[in-house]
Formats: sequence, C-alpha cells, structure tokens
Amino acid sequence: DGGITQSPKYLFRKEGQNVTLSCEQNLNHDAMYWYRQDPGQGLRLIYYSQIVNDFQKGDIAEGYSVSREKKESFPLTVTSAQKNPTAFYLCASSIGLTSGDGYTFGSGTRLTVV
Amino acid sequence: GQQVMQIPQYQHVQEGEDFTTYCNSSTTLSNIQWYKQRPGGHPVFLIQLVKSGEVKKQKRLTFQFGEAKKNSSLHITATQTTDVGTYFCAPLRAGGFKTIFGAGTRLFVKA
Repeated sequence: DGGITQSPKYLFRKEGQNVTLSCEQNLNHDAMYWYRQDPGQGLRLIYYSQIVNDFQKGDIAEGYSVSREKKESFPLTVTSAQKNPTAFYLCASSIGLTSGDGYTFGSGTRLTVV
Repeated sequence: GQQVMQIPQYQHVQEGEDFTTYCNSSTTLSNIQWYKQRPGGHPVFLIQLVKSGEVKKQKRLTFQFGEAKKNSSLHITATQTTDVGTYFCAPLRAGGFKTIFGAGTRLFVKA
C-alpha cells in the first residue's frame, strides 16, 4: 500500500541537541511538506518542497532545516536554535502544490525536549 | 498575508444533533480543502471545493463553497460518536500556490 512513513513516532531530546525526523513516501508525489502542530491548535507550515533538490521556507522555518535529495524522502532537522521544539510534527505529500487530491499525511512524530 | 478564520473553535453536541463549522477568508480563494483529524491521529483529506457556490455531499457531510469564494462550511447531519475530531479547512488563495490550514473546529459528541 502506498503512503507516508514517519519515524520515530515518539522522540525525546535533550536541550541543545539537534534531532532529525524521517519522512518517506512511496506515492510518487512531487510535493512534500512539514507542519508543526501544538496542542489544540492548527497546522503551521515549516518547509515545503516542490521537486528534488528544491525547498522553500514556510511560515515558521527558523530553527529548522530540511533536505530533498530524493523524491521519496524529506527529512526535517530540528536544531538547537529552535526555542520551543516540543510539538507534534506532521509530514505530508501531494501530487503537486495545487493538487485537487489533497494532502496525504504521515502519522506524525511527537517530539519532547527534556 | 492570507487570513483564514474557522469558527467555532469548539462544539459540543448530543449524538443525533447537527453540526456546522465555518471557514472565512479575507481574500478570494482558488479552492478550499477540508480535513478531519481524529484525537491522537493525523489529518485525513475529506474533499476539495473549486467552483463558486459548489455543494458536495459525502453521506451525512455537506460541504459548501460561497458564491464569492471567500467562505466555506461543513455541515454534519445527525452526528455520531465516530464524528468526533477536529475539522480543518485548508484554503488556497487565488493566484497562490501554498495551502494554509485554519485553526480547526473540535467536535465533541456525547452519546
């Protein structure tokens, strides 16, 4: 079955450490996205990528970095510069940026900074 | 930037009652998508509306796009406990290329 796989599901990090969240899709989608969701709130866009080797900052990119070396993969690094990294991180993909088929989301990674 | 407001923030209903959430934009939209996120889960795509005044139905769910393409609504008839979750609208601004998400309406259904 096609879909998006995010790992790990739960992640604990010490303050001052960088951590990388994995996102892999086998849907052959061109566009991929990273969102952050805080408790009881909506989704805020961190980064997005339309094609391989290209990505753009979203609304809250500070303290985060991404790469898109393969179509299937769009890892997100939460750096020590991110002031409040504890959140639920969701990766998504779509056929294109304006796809009528909507976004397919992964099951998310819950990051806790301890 | 594009502003989108989703109301209400929360809604408590008795099972069998109807429910409606509204999404209002300050700018004209190219299209609007709706998603549902179950508690502890991830958003799942429900539908996309594109045309002015468009109405689409999925069983007990009715989606509408305003005539001016600046607002949309999701109506659930006779809610069931399986409807619990947060419903997000995700509009794409006319001429834009980046979908944004509303803050969502969280639905609680009491059996």
